[in-house]
Amino acid sequence: ETGVTQSPTHLIKTRGQQVTLRCSSQSGHNTVSWYQQALGQGPQFIFQYYREEENGRGNFPPRFSGLQFPNYSSELNVNALELDDSALYLCASSEGFSSYNEQFFGPGTRLTVL
Amino acid sequence: GDSVTQMEGPVTLSEEAFLTINCTYTATGYPSLFWYVQYPGEGLQLLLKATKADDKGSNKGFEATYRKETTSFHLEKGSVQVSDSAVYFCALGGSQGNLIFGKGTKLSVKP
Repeated sequence: ETGVTQSPTHLIKTRGQQVTLRCSSQSGHNTVSWYQQALGQGPQFIFQYYREEENGRGNFPPRFSGLQFPNYSSELNVNALELDDSALYLCASSEGFSSYNEQFFGPGTRLTVL
Repeated sequence: GDSVTQMEGPVTLSEEAFLTINCTYTATGYPSLFWYVQYPGEGLQLLLKATKADDKGSNKGFEATYRKETTSFHLEKGSVQVSDSAVYFCALGGSQGNLIFGKGTKLSVKP
């Protein structure tokens, strides 16, 4: 069974640019959640996708957007990058959208904005 | 809104020492509670969870009990090992299917 994978591992961008991060969910999982983890902090919820629809969203501006595909993989897009967007971006998949379901995390994408 | 507060680190212990990492929460309703662990260079892993009051979650010698009266979910282990060195996160299940995390506590265990 393949776990959650994310690409790329590391990324360096400059302010104002746009970035797309990718996540492949674990086999059998139909829900993907994205989190931002700043250095020395706990992960912060960005949004969740369940069966290709956005199912919930945290306190992030609209320039953070996402997609989920029919195979339940997902993308996180960030437009107009700011320095504060530098962080580890984590993707987690689960068998359903309830928080009772265990979320399985990928290794993350480290984004640096210069 | 819902939130989690956990003790600040870093925590440094000698091997075989007793570990407690305090975690308290604020939430409407009765959320599920979790402890996640992040080993150096690895992703977050679920360590244990509890879904209702007085439930005790346990795994790999770690335990935590869901205390509704004190809104706490403290992590304990009777005898830590060097391999337990990691960052530990307390989390609660949010209303949007999300997890709400504390800031994390870094544990270093010395031989």
